[in-house]
Amino acid sequence: AQTVTQSQPEMSVQEAETVTLSCTYDTSESNYYLFWYKQPPSRQMILVIRQEAYKQQNATENRFSVNFQKAAKSFSLKISDSQLGDTAMYFCAFGSQGNLIFGKGTKLSVKP
Amino acid sequence: GAVVSQHPSWVICKSGTSVKIECRSLDFQATTMFWYRQFPKQSLMLMATSNEGSKATYEQGVEKDKFLINHASLTLSTLTVTSAHPEDSSFYICSATTIEPRETQYFGPGTRLLVL
Repeated sequence: AQTVTQSQPEMSVQEAETVTLSCTYDTSESNYYLFWYKQPPSRQMILVIRQEAYKQQNATENRFSVNFQKAAKSFSLKISDSQLGDTAMYFCAFGSQGNLIFGKGTKLSVKP
Repeated sequence: GAVVSQHPSWVICKSGTSVKIECRSLDFQATTMFWYRQFPKQSLMLMATSNEGSKATYEQGVEKDKFLINHASLTLSTLTVTSAHPEDSSFYICSATTIEPRETQYFGPGTRLLVL
């Protein structure tokens, strides 16, 4: 069975600084996807970034980038130049054959 | 990104009544939609996978007779909570999967259900 673990229930960062959110997963599959979703207080789930497991290059989306270590089954999210609007719950998710399995989330607070 | 809508955004009902929640993909066709449930300060729990034109696949522990799912078209899936009870109060979120250009799930804004 696949599992996703986010070991940091809460984190905080000063505005404009960089923060890294951790995520590890366990699977025996070879083809899968990994995602980071953001859930602000509105509770709308927003896709932040995705990574295909077959790609060695780490995905980047503007201020968001990942460090994908396939052998270690690690998928961390780095947020650069943190903004107040980045305050939210962040969920790491494992995707295979259409289904998503979510971690328990990390509550990120960006402080002015 | 793709847009998924949900209606209603919140609903209050009396115990014993049924509530229908609609999930629509607005600018794409989705052969597969998913229904999740989220309790306060917790993660999303998959309830069922909804496939257009066929019966939904329910996760273990989810009562299919209580949570009726109908995926009648490529843009609409509905979740009906039958004979709702206070313990069914929760936040229900749907998602729809795009295949092109890459397989990705996009989420609706959620429906907050309160059963009195």
